[in-house]
Amino acid sequence: DIQLTQSPSSMSASLGDRVSLTCQSSQGIGNYLSWYQHKPGKPPKPMIYYATNLADGVPSRFSGSRSGSDYSLTISSLESEDTTIYYCLQYDEYPRTFGGGTKLELK
Amino acid sequence: EVQLVESGGGLVQPGRSMKLSCAASGFTFSNYAMAWVRQAPTKGLEWVATISFDGSSTYYRDSVKGRFTISRHNAKSTLYLQMNSLRSEDTATYYCTRGVVTTPFDYWGQGVMVTVSS
Repeated sequence: DIQLTQSPSSMSASLGDRVSLTCQSSQGIGNYLSWYQHKPGKPPKPMIYYATNLADGVPSRFSGSRSGSDYSLTISSLESEDTTIYYCLQYDEYPRTFGGGTKLELK
Repeated sequence: EVQLVESGGGLVQPGRSMKLSCAASGFTFSNYAMAWVRQAPTKGLEWVATISFDGSSTYYRDSVKGRFTISRHNAKSTLYLQMNSLRSEDTATYYCTRGVVTTPFDYWGQGVMVTVSS
């Protein structure tokens, strides 16, 4: 199975900071990686598809990038509503696998 | 508006069965693959199973193979998850989600809680 390792597992940042979350794949998955924002008590919300494509309705301060087997979700200027947990997902092959999540908090 | 509404969760004893349903609306259900994703308490997201648009292909995570069955009734726009031989580790919130190839898991239900305990 493909393993996705998210780092850091948790982090804190200040409002307005540029924040980057990382997801590393154990095998090549091309660009078949997506990111989801998950707030407590709500369903996950898609943020990025195909490594770099913004999902519908997602603010432009979010972006996705890839360097080899490393994938990043970047928030250009952190807002309070962005503080929650983020997961990456590979959909290159079955079984689909999620990363362990990164919890983003306000400093 | 796309809507996915799960039902059928609750408390069940270990070894027993439970069937979840997901009623879909706002899109042509028969055109889309569908999936179940779960989250155990204090844990991360975990993909459970996917079914193709016409039900001809199904995929499962190893830990549920042989115990869970994903199915669909396209005329009723409803997705199902039959869960047999339930274990405590199956305790989780189960989400129904649309499994588009290019934009996977683009819509999600609110989730239904399944608690496996004696």
